[in-house]
Amino acid sequence: EIVLTQFPGTLSLSPGERATLSCRASQTITNSHLAWYQQKPGQAPRVLIYGVSSRATGIPDRFSGSGSGTDFTLTISRLESEDFAVYYCQQYGRSPQTFGQGTKVEIK
Amino acid sequence: QVRLQESGPGLVKPSETLSLTCNVSGGSISNSYWSWIRQPPGKRLEWIGYIYYDGITDDYNPSLKSRVTISLDASKTHFSLKLISVTAADTAVYYCARLAHFYDTNGHYLHDAFDIWGQGTVVTVSS
Repeated sequence: EIVLTQFPGTLSLSPGERATLSCRASQTITNSHLAWYQQKPGQAPRVLIYGVSSRATGIPDRFSGSGSGTDFTLTISRLESEDFAVYYCQQYGRSPQTFGQGTKVEIK
Repeated sequence: QVRLQESGPGLVKPSETLSLTCNVSGGSISNSYWSWIRQPPGKRLEWIGYIYYDGITDDYNPSLKSRVTISLDASKTHFSLKLISVTAADTAVYYCARLAHFYDTNGHYLHDAFDIWGQGTVVTVSS
């Protein structure tokens, strides 16, 4: 199965700052089959991005995704208070679909 | 708007069967894939499997395939998860979710996303 490794494990930033989260795959992900999810404590995950760079319905444009092959990035251009959460990447190009271990974005 | 709600026992004894149900409300179960995903304490999310609304097409994580069955109720208002021979390693928050498929203008498949989730239910395996 494809193993996804996210880094850093924790990102300490202030509101208004830019967040850059990375996701590296153990094998090439084809057809841009990579998504990003946000999870807040006690809540289910919420899809932010699919197809590497397509924002899901209702997701603000401060969230953007990029990358190809084995290296992918989620960027939050200007952090707002509600963006402090854990973020997971997920690949669905090869079964079983798998998730990364998560990056926690915390308030500095 | 489609909403999902998991239900089932919060405590299961080792070697017994874990059974959960996901109720689908506010919309049709048709033309969608319905999934189960779990999150053990402090660990990453793990996809368990899915069933298509036809009740026949399914796919499972190979790591669980020998122990898991996902089924769709004949009334098509809910779907279920059965996991046999559980151990402490099956302790997790279990989520049901809709796996949305996205297509291009020619009807060719492009992408997936888990776009609707239940709130999750905690299942502990312990004697």
